[in-house]
Amino acid sequence: QSALTQPPSASGSPGQSVTISCTGTSSDVGGYNFVSWYQQHPGKAPKLMIYEVSKRPSGVPDRFSGSKSGNTASLTVSGLQAEDEADYYCSSHAGSNNFEVFGGGTKLTVL
Amino acid sequence: QITMQESGPTLVKPTQTLTLTCTFSGFSLTTSGVGVGWIRQPPGKALEWLALIYWDDDKRYSPSLKSRLTVTKDASKNYVVLTMTNMDPVDTATYYCAHRWNNLNTFDYWGPGTLVTVSS
Repeated sequence: QSALTQPPSASGSPGQSVTISCTGTSSDVGGYNFVSWYQQHPGKAPKLMIYEVSKRPSGVPDRFSGSKSGNTASLTVSGLQAEDEADYYCSSHAGSNNFEVFGGGTKLTVL
Repeated sequence: QITMQESGPTLVKPTQTLTLTCTFSGFSLTTSGVGVGWIRQPPGKALEWLALIYWDDDKRYSPSLKSRLTVTKDASKNYVVLTMTNMDPVDTATYYCAHRWNNLNTFDYWGPGTLVTVSS
């Protein structure tokens, strides 16, 4: 049972937008602006897509955006492309004891 | 350019101790704010954070695994070691190490991971 709750699956057609949610508590998502999103293709290591809720590392397309409201963070992928099909994981800082928690992952399918 | 690389046994027996090494380049673990973390992923399952060690030797552990984990570093030789005692088949997973910098509050560079199977 992961600490953060994500929908197991999401889908969209090429060119469409899709939003993936990540729900935690006031002890993690709601308490810190330290939410990250990772993309993972099969057999590969996770790749950082979003950090600190809404910031994009260099090289990540601006089709990827993040936001947060209360205890729920969201990742939006606009203009879906075939290569966006992957698993997406959210994570959040959770304080000094339980330092970092992850979501259960969402499999994004591009129809 | 930051690179991370995990190494260690691919197969361990139940009750044994697992020792994994993360060798890195492109940064120094003596630089303020820098850390190296360990994250694992059982086959077909989600990521799970395990441990983190900082430049100043501050260490953090997952509460559920704290009694079994130890993380150490050799900053002069650019590697971090994770040990996990009393291995069980449920610990079968791909183990990743990743770079962390307090200014970004995220794991920004990951190694390719190493699959560890626990079986007799």
